[in-house]
Amino acid sequence: KQEVTQIPAALSVPEGENLVLNCSFTDSAIYNLQWFRQDPGKGLTSLLLIQSSQREQTSGRLNASLDKSSGRSTLYIAASQPGDSATYLCAVTPFSGGYNKLIFGAGTRLAVHP
Amino acid sequence: ETGVTQTPRHLVMGMTNKKSLKCEQHLGHNAMYWYKQSAKKPLELMFVYSLEERVENNSVPSRFSPECPNSSHLFLHLHTLQPEDSALYLCASSQVKWDSPLHFGNGTRLTVT
Repeated sequence: KQEVTQIPAALSVPEGENLVLNCSFTDSAIYNLQWFRQDPGKGLTSLLLIQSSQREQTSGRLNASLDKSSGRSTLYIAASQPGDSATYLCAVTPFSGGYNKLIFGAGTRLAVHP
Repeated sequence: ETGVTQTPRHLVMGMTNKKSLKCEQHLGHNAMYWYKQSAKKPLELMFVYSLEERVENNSVPSRFSPECPNSSHLFLHLHTLQPEDSALYLCASSQVKWDSPLHFGNGTRLTVT
């Protein structure tokens, strides 16, 4: 059974720091891995999607890497800002038919203070 | 207006009440999902509808009853809920394709008293 774990559960950093969020998964049979952002009381916003054949994806100050063989992904946030404060969720798409059955980690709650 | 709209945003109901959550998507998708998000737990997939047919039911208690009348609308009918059912209920939609990104609504915050 696929399980997704995110470390740390919570993180508090001063503005301007570069930081790394970690995600691990137990079954490497995945189609892709996705990072989401969730603001308090809101839905999820997709940040980056990495296909199983890819090693990394970049969007602005965000860079996500994927090492499928070791079951790990990292989300790197450069020059953090208070507006980056949110919960970051990692999710994998296991092999299944016809639809995207995402399996989520519990998230990392990030606070960036001025 | 977001692509996936959920109503109501907040709902407080007693254990004997019957209520419904509504989800509507304006993205032309043909798969829709209900997820449950409880405090400090990963999102749990509850139901999936693909081409208006239910294709996934993750051992959800029968007090939760989904309905998908067409590809744009999804409902979750609630009756005789328990306090532990209090959570954020998120709706999502996608194309019927394994790697199609999911688009989420803002959720309904449900409190069962």
